[in-house]
Amino acid sequence: TQLLEQSPQFLSIQEGENLTVYCNSSSVFSSLQWYRQEPGEGPVLLVTVVTGGEVKKLKRLTFQFGDARKDSSLHITAAQPGDTGLYLCAGLIAGTYKYIFGTGTRLKVLA
Amino acid sequence: SQTIHQWPATLVQPVGSPLSLECTVEGTSNPNLYWYRQAAGRGLQLLFYSVGIGQISSEVPQNLSASRPQDRQFILSSKKLLLSDSGFYLCAWSGTGDPYSFSYEQYFGPGTRLTVT
Repeated sequence: TQLLEQSPQFLSIQEGENLTVYCNSSSVFSSLQWYRQEPGEGPVLLVTVVTGGEVKKLKRLTFQFGDARKDSSLHITAAQPGDTGLYLCAGLIAGTYKYIFGTGTRLKVLA
Repeated sequence: SQTIHQWPATLVQPVGSPLSLECTVEGTSNPNLYWYRQAAGRGLQLLFYSVGIGQISSEVPQNLSASRPQDRQFILSSKKLLLSDSGFYLCAWSGTGDPYSFSYEQYFGPGTRLTVT
């Protein structure tokens, strides 16, 4: 069974703090996506990382793909209440069309 | 631009009743299509995916089935619902290509909230 472990599961922080979310697996991925989901809605794609060691930035969000393409991290700088939501990572299993999702990190940023 | 539709948005069904959820994609051709189920506030569980008309891969053996009668239409069905079928069902599409050089992102529909009573 292929798993994508995501941590932490819950995070409640004050506005202005920094945080990092991790996704780890024993599987190699062709690519890895990060999504944010609001209650009752479908996940919205934030970024895709493809190359081992790749780093992408989206305003205050920094995404990194591990060198071996088995893990990834999402770092948010100076979190804002608008960052509140469920963050999901999803890995595309190499050589397949199958994606596996992490268990999710529910982030709450307090004003 | 591409859009993905799901209906209905919400559904309340009694145990033992049939189910049909529909997903359609506009603005692209020959997409890969996916059905997921999500427990409250958790990650997504892949149920089925399809790389072409009539081609269905099942990931979780259960009383659900999927069909792809047209290129951009994906249907999730059940003959008899169980209480455990309750959840948030999401349809997604991605581009397609050689699986060994494939890195396409997935795009999700708005979801269907199913409650089995």
